[in-house]
Amino acid sequence: AQSVTQPDIHITVSEGASLELRCNYSYGATPYLFWYVQSPGQGLQLLLKYFSGDTLVQGIKGFEAEFKRSQSSFNLRKPSVHWSDAAEYFCAVGPRGDYKLSFGAGTTVTVRA
Amino acid sequence: DAEITQSPRHKITETGRQVTLACHQTWNHNNMFWYRQDLGHGLRLIHYSYGVQDTNKGEVSDGYSVSRSNTEDLPLTLESAASSQTSVYFCASSESTGEQYFGPGTRLTVT
Repeated sequence: AQSVTQPDIHITVSEGASLELRCNYSYGATPYLFWYVQSPGQGLQLLLKYFSGDTLVQGIKGFEAEFKRSQSSFNLRKPSVHWSDAAEYFCAVGPRGDYKLSFGAGTTVTVRA
Repeated sequence: DAEITQSPRHKITETGRQVTLACHQTWNHNNMFWYRQDLGHGLRLIHYSYGVQDTNKGEVSDGYSVSRSNTEDLPLTLESAASSQTSVYFCASSESTGEQYFGPGTRLTVT
């Protein structure tokens, strides 16, 4: 069965520190991969996506993610977090040739001063 | 600018009532989706549509229905609201590239 796992429910990080959010997936073939961010009371905003090619992808707000086929992972990183990065982050995957997405349960990021 | 709007943003209803949540997109996307978001579950797909007159069930479709009479709208109907359907509902749309664009959500409370 297809699945998306975000192992960390909640992460607390100091402002200015680096951040890494983990995402693992189980699919028959390499799917399309996405990271979304949700601020409180808001909808989801696309941070970045991976379809093919370079396994390190750059997104908005200074985020990047690395696709590792051997580990079935698509981890999200930011070198230096800002207080405005406090939000919930969702990893999503979708099979090639289809448009549906499966979402992980999300990781809540708290930024302390 | 293109966008997705949802209405109402907040709704309180009673058990057993029929409720319809509206979703309208101006992206001119063929694909539209309805999700519910519950703590600890992320987003779960309720129904989706790949074009006018096309509708499909997602993983949590029981008690919900949709219809697609034009490109812009995909209303979600709860036939007989239950307390288990208290949730935040998100509508999304996408083109063939796969990335989905989300509306602001509707918070539904069933009492």
